[in-house]
Amino acid sequence: EPEVTQTPSHQVTQMGQEVILRCVPISNHLYFYWYRQILGQKVEFLVSFYNNEISEKSEIFDDQFSVERPDGSNFTLKIRSTKLEDSAMYFCASSDSRYNQPQHFGDGTRLSIL
Amino acid sequence: GQNIDQPTEMTATEGAIVQINCTYQTSGFNGLFWYQQHAGEAPTFLSYNVLDGLEEKGRFSSFLSRSKGYSYLLLKELQMKDSASYLCAVRPSYNTDKLIFGTGTRLQVFP
Repeated sequence: EPEVTQTPSHQVTQMGQEVILRCVPISNHLYFYWYRQILGQKVEFLVSFYNNEISEKSEIFDDQFSVERPDGSNFTLKIRSTKLEDSAMYFCASSDSRYNQPQHFGDGTRLSIL
Repeated sequence: GQNIDQPTEMTATEGAIVQINCTYQTSGFNGLFWYQQHAGEAPTFLSYNVLDGLEEKGRFSSFLSRSKGYSYLLLKELQMKDSASYLCAVRPSYNTDKLIFGTGTRLQVFP
């Protein structure tokens, strides 16, 4: 069964450093998402992306965050200057339709900021 | 505000039936999803409801009442591998992609 893949599985970074999280969505999917889950808390929406542009973003997704689809397969999340509170599990998801179709999640990248 | 409530933890016995409830108060509604999440893994899609009523999928069923802002996930013939967190998520509007998640219900199945 096709799946969303994310790399790396675990990233440890010093506060203030830039980090890029990578995702390969399911190949025929057109809608891409990033969510995060701080340890012990709920999954939170960050951003959605369609047709090479952001379609929606949450209040969490401030100027330190950016997303990109650099080629036909990868979808990346960049955090420019990481803070301690950015430590979380980051999930990428994709779906083949905006409506009435589930979003399929990758296994996540655990980001630890020191 | 947007609020989704689920019980924090539940326990059940192998072979039994368990019902996990979810209530939501959101600015709008355009579908409710249930996901299963094993510790340290990705949420995995289980079921979707947008109209009132019951959706059945093998050992799993999900029910929705939009007027009550209420859904439940029913798991039958419980197996040890069903021990996981179960996440209720709502799409709050027809013109948004985002899902709003509850905190999840951690289910432990005992032999």
